[in-house]
Amino acid sequence: DVKVTQSSRYLVKRTGEKVFLECVQDMDHENMFWYRQDPGLGLRLIYFSYDVKMKEKGDIPEGYSVSREKKERFSLILESASTNQTSMYLCATSGPGTDTQYFGPGTRLTVL
Amino acid sequence: QQQVKQSPQSLIVQKGGISIINCAYENTAFDYFPWYQQFPGKGPALLIAIRPDVSEKKEGRFTISFNKSAKQFSLHIMDSQPGDSATYFCAAHYTGANNLFFGTGTRLTVIP
Repeated sequence: DVKVTQSSRYLVKRTGEKVFLECVQDMDHENMFWYRQDPGLGLRLIYFSYDVKMKEKGDIPEGYSVSREKKERFSLILESASTNQTSMYLCATSGPGTDTQYFGPGTRLTVL
Repeated sequence: QQQVKQSPQSLIVQKGGISIINCAYENTAFDYFPWYQQFPGKGPALLIAIRPDVSEKKEGRFTISFNKSAKQFSLHIMDSQPGDSATYFCAAHYTGANNLFFGTGTRLTVIP
């Protein structure tokens, strides 16, 4: 079974803080993704990575950056958190040439 | 721009009834259409998927109907149960793409 873990289930931060969300997978998958989920907007892709140190912008990268130093770990960074970044953040992985994504349980981030 | 349009946003069905969720797309390069199911507090998980060479795929009580000419596909849940209450996302993928394109989600509530 693919296991995707996210560092926190719930997180509360203050405006202007630097926030790190971490995702770890145990299936040696090449592709890793960060989404945010908001009611009525579905899943929106922030960034994805198809290899170590490689990254590509998704649909809504503004205000976010990512880091992938090791294959199993993909971090989402909010350089200066803002209240409009309050959301559910989901990490996902997939293998090469496969279209099935495996999701972590999500981190609900609240920015005050 | 939403590449996959999903409706309705929410759906309430009586136990034993049929739940129907619809999705539409424009990009004819899409060649894989999965549905993901998300329970509260969990990440989405693959439920069922179809490729455009068939018009229907059935797995237990879940059926995908696919209309290539209309560029539409739908999920039918027969004999809906309270345990089916979840958010459902349709998605689309094309060969060579690393990511999935998700619909905005449908929150299904099955009342006893």
